[in-house]
Amino acid sequence: EVQLVESGGGLVKPGGSLRLACEGSGFAFSDAWMSWVRQAPGKGLEWIGRIKSGSNGGTADYPAPVRGRFSISRDDSERTVYLQMNSLKTEDTAIYFCATEHYYFDYWGQGALVTVSS
Amino acid sequence: QSALTQEASVSGTVGQKVTLSCIGNSANIGSYAVAWYQQISHGGPKTVMFGDSLMSGIPDRFYGSKSGTTASLTISTLQPEDEADYYCSSWDNSLNAYVFGTGTKVTVL
Repeated sequence: EVQLVESGGGLVKPGGSLRLACEGSGFAFSDAWMSWVRQAPGKGLEWIGRIKSGSNGGTADYPAPVRGRFSISRDDSERTVYLQMNSLKTEDTAIYFCATEHYYFDYWGQGALVTVSS
Repeated sequence: QSALTQEASVSGTVGQKVTLSCIGNSANIGSYAVAWYQQISHGGPKTVMFGDSLMSGIPDRFYGSKSGTTASLTISTLQPEDEADYYCSSWDNSLNAYVFGTGTKVTVL
């Protein structure tokens, strides 16, 4: 059974940093492309980036709204993908989901809540 | 900023057929397959289908279609457990990003 478990969420002040982790099991993690998607309170889903598998270069891609502030990395030995968020703004308050990606998002975690507030 | 437009809400009675639409443009739906996701009470989304392929475990009362820059998800016989938020998604080659729809809340009356 595929499982994705996010951790590291919490309360952070504007301008602060936070790192989320997502541990995967039940699938070939090192072969998987991994994405992060967020959902602000009462809002829809927003893709915030992905990291390719090592065999595909292991590079990360980001949409314009978070490029330069967010970065994604992976540790295949730990079966974990990370989302480093810097210079956080109140509008970054959201539930952050990790998901496996294969032209679409096939498996999702339950999410980690990040609240940016003073 | 959602690049794909969906109805805010759709409702129906048990057994009724309902259709959700997802309107995009040539950079996204017009060029790439569309995925549909079901989300219940802001939990982790569940993938319903990609293109015309139903995901494992999803009942066959769900089916999808696409014409030009509009995609649709039809639930042929609505069931109480189908009450959820539904999002469409596609790759967008002008934004170089995945884009999601605005989401449709399906209510079973």
